[in-house]
Order: sequence, then structure tokens, then C-alpha cells
Amino acid sequence: EAQVTQNPRYLITVTGKKLTVTCSQNMNHEYMSWYRQDPGLGLRQIYYSMNVEVTDKGDVPEGYKVSRKEKRNFPLILESPSPNQTSLYFCASSLPTSLAGGHLHEQYFGPGTRLTVT
Amino acid sequence: AQSVSQHNHHVILSEAASLELGCNYSYGGTVNLFWYVQYPGQHLQLLLKYFSGDPLVKGIKGFEAEFIKSKFSFNLRKPSVQWSDTAEYFCAVNGNNNDMRFGAGTRLTVKP
Repeated sequence: EAQVTQNPRYLITVTGKKLTVTCSQNMNHEYMSWYRQDPGLGLRQIYYSMNVEVTDKGDVPEGYKVSRKEKRNFPLILESPSPNQTSLYFCASSLPTSLAGGHLHEQYFGPGTRLTVT
Repeated sequence: AQSVSQHNHHVILSEAASLELGCNYSYGGTVNLFWYVQYPGQHLQLLLKYFSGDPLVKGIKGFEAEFIKSKFSFNLRKPSVQWSDTAEYFCAVNGNNNDMRFGAGTRLTVKP
């Protein structure tokens, strides 16, 4: 089954304790992305990756890091989490524009990770 | 910079009523437009998308959207909503790059 998986699904942590949220897709997609969803703000893109070893900042990259060492995985790293990073996080993957006639194709979203930083 | 505006934060309708959710974007170049739906407790799913061609696009579950270039709009419509359409709806825009910008979302409540 084609899917995007995220782990953990729920996480409560304390300020300053480094954490990683994993994301994996089995569709051989080159494009992957992280979003955070906050009430009244919709989804805001944190980082995206066009391919292995290629990452770019989205709208709200501050306080986050990503890496793309393999095509299927795109972990989100919070080196020193703060309470304002409490949010619902979604990973997504897609065909890139280069393989989709110049268009960004439909994104497939993971189930979400609800993070609480106290 | 790209931005996406969804005018209605919360819409409440009775079953069988018609639906129109507004979406406006600001971007000067060619855009790709999407509507996603998020049912309670679930992740986002694509409803429909517009890349080029016929500005009236049809999606799943009876939804459609019309791209009006002169108005920078991509409004979502459904002639007759059902209780199962209760969800949050997001408009999204991708321009000549690879980032994506979403609107703040419109919560739709359909009363049985």
C-alpha cells in the first residue's frame, strides 16, 4: 500500500530536549516536505526536499533542521524545542515538478505527529 | 511573495444546501492550484487540482472548482452537501518553484 508514515504519532517533551520525527514514504517520490498545522493559520511549510541531499527552507524553517540522506526518508529535527513549536506536524511526498510537466503534483500526506513542548 | 486567502473561517450549512468556499491568491506568474480536505482526525487528501486548460475542474465526491485568472480566484463548489462533507478545506498554491502555500482553512459543518 502506497503511504507516508510518521513516527511518533504523539510526543510530549520538555523545552530544550532534542527530538526527531521520522517520515518515510514507499512511493519512490523525490519530493518530500514538512508542514506544521496551527489553528487559524492552516498549514505552513517548514522545509522541503527535491531529492537526496537537496533541501530548501519553506515559510517557517526557524528552529528546525532536516536531512535527506535516502530517497524514502526525510526526518525533522528539533535541536532545542520550545513551547511555540507545539503543533501538529505533517510530512508529505510527491512527484517533483521536473517529472510532472513542470507542475507540483498531488502531495500524499502522512497521518500527522502531535507534538507538545512544555 | 505568494499568499493564499480563504475568506470563510467557519461555514455552517444544512444538508442539501449548496456550497461555495472562496479562495484568492496573490502571485504574478503561472500557478498550480489545489483544494485539499481534512476530515476530523485524519490527514489531508486531495479533492481536485488545476494546472492548465479548462478552468472548471471536477474533483472527487461531487466537488468542483473554477479558476478565474482575472480575479486570482479558485473557489470550491458543491451543489448539494451531505453530512459526511463536514471537514476542513484548504486551498493551496504552487508557483514556479517547488514550495507550497496553504490558506488558513475553512471549517465546514453540515447539519443533518
